[in-house]
Amino acid sequence: DSGVTQTPKHLITATGQRVTLRCSPRSGDLSVYWYQQSLDQGLQFLIQYYNGEERAKGNILERFSAQQFPDLHSELNLSSLELGDSALYFCASSVYQSGADTQYFGPGTRLTVL
Amino acid sequence: KNQVEQSPQSLIILEGKNCTLQCNYTVSPFSNLRWYKQDTGRGPVSLTIMTFSENTKSNGRYTATLDADTKQSSLHITASQLSDSASYICVVSFRRGNNDMRFGAGTRLTVKP
Repeated sequence: DSGVTQTPKHLITATGQRVTLRCSPRSGDLSVYWYQQSLDQGLQFLIQYYNGEERAKGNILERFSAQQFPDLHSELNLSSLELGDSALYFCASSVYQSGADTQYFGPGTRLTVL
Repeated sequence: KNQVEQSPQSLIILEGKNCTLQCNYTVSPFSNLRWYKQDTGRGPVSLTIMTFSENTKSNGRYTATLDADTKQSSLHITASQLSDSASYICVVSFRRGNNDMRFGAGTRLTVKP
């Protein structure tokens, strides 16, 4: 158990809909990252937040948005869903140690768009 | 072309044997390189992190090496166990922090009894 929690574990929805994925980082971690992993694909970095502010953007679509709240939990909002958005969505939080940020990943949310 | 190339794409070995996975990268300026283990359907777990000045790092039966001059890294697994069956992902970061990261496609390792 990494200490990072994600809800829901599974989500099934239809095209055109909007969903919200939730992530709670490890206690004390200020950074939260979101990743997408499609079937048989590698991890794609979406976005990073640090202490409530956006820190970096990766391959995040305009239909997607995220935010980090004062209690440091984060939400990833996916709208106008398409079949191709079906994927595992991971959240990670990090702590700086040994000269680098060590990321701890949550168990993921499996999104299925029908 | 992906800036982080991993090889082989997949590997099957017998329990108890050793194996070595490769990661070549072209990203620059280099900040750090990490190896993750990802079980199917689960989140990746960090195995090792190496910065520019480190050329080897161990974590139990896992030993990672880094040659920053040739931009190559390897992950050596000794005395493999069935539980080592997973995907192993190499991630290279630019400069300090995770603002720029490039992920390898991973090597799928299967350990058979």
